Amino acid sequence: ETGVTQTPRHLVMGMTNKKSLKCEQHLGHNAMYWYKQSAKKPLELMFVYSLEERVENNSVPSRFSPECPNSSHLFLHLHTLQPEDSALYLCASSQEGAGSQYFGPGTRLTVL
Amino acid sequence: GNSVTQMEGPVTLSEEAFLTINCTYTATGYPSLFWYVQYPGEGLQLLLKATKADDKGSNKGFEATYRKETTSFHLEKGSVQVSDSAVYFCALIRGSGGGADGLTFGKGTHLIIQP
Repeated sequence: ETGVTQTPRHLVMGMTNKKSLKCEQHLGHNAMYWYKQSAKKPLELMFVYSLEERVENNSVPSRFSPECPNSSHLFLHLHTLQPEDSALYLCASSQEGAGSQYFGPGTRLTVL
Repeated sequence: GNSVTQMEGPVTLSEEAFLTINCTYTATGYPSLFWYVQYPGEGLQLLLKATKADDKGSNKGFEATYRKETTSFHLEKGSVQVSDSAVYFCALIRGSGGGADGLTFGKGTHLIIQP
C-alpha cells in the first residue's frame, strides 16, 4: 500500500450504532488530520494530530471521538450520530514544516 | 479569520480551451497557498503549491502565481483536456507551515470539459 488509505470506503449506520473509521498513512509523516466534506459546504477541518497528540479540535461534537495510537494510524470513533452527519470523511497526513497535506480516498458515511 | 473565495461553477469549456479559475484569500501573516483536485469518487490530490509572494506553482500544465498585492492565486492552464474534468479546490494554510495546521478551503469549482 502507498499513500494514505481509508477503510471502509462506504458505511451506512443507524443513529444508535457505534462504528469506527480507520486511516493509515505510508508516507512517514508525523501529523494527521480529519476533514468533513458535505454537499454545498467547504471542507471542514475536524481534528489535527501532531506526533500522536491532538493539537486542534475544531468545535466538533463529542459524538465524534478521534484516536491516534501511533504516527501511522488515525481513527474516528462514531456514536449516536445524526442524519446531518452524513458526509465524506477525509483523512490527510503531512510532515510538520512541509505544509502539503496528502489525502486518502475518504469514507462515504450515511446515517439513517 | 482565514477564508478562501473561488468561483463555484460549474465551469464548462471545450477541449483545448484556456482555463482560468479565480481564487482570492483573506489571511493574516504569510500563508502558503495550494490547489487540490478531486476526481469523482476519490479524495483530494495536491495539484500545486506556492509558499511565498511571487512564487509560481506548476504541475501537469497547470500553474498559479502567489500574488500578495491582490491576495490571489488564480489557476490557469493553456489547453484543457477532457481528463481535466474534476472539482478544483483552492486552499491556504496559515504561517509557513512550520507546524501541524489545518487547511482552509474554498467551496470548490466544478470544471467540465466537453470534447
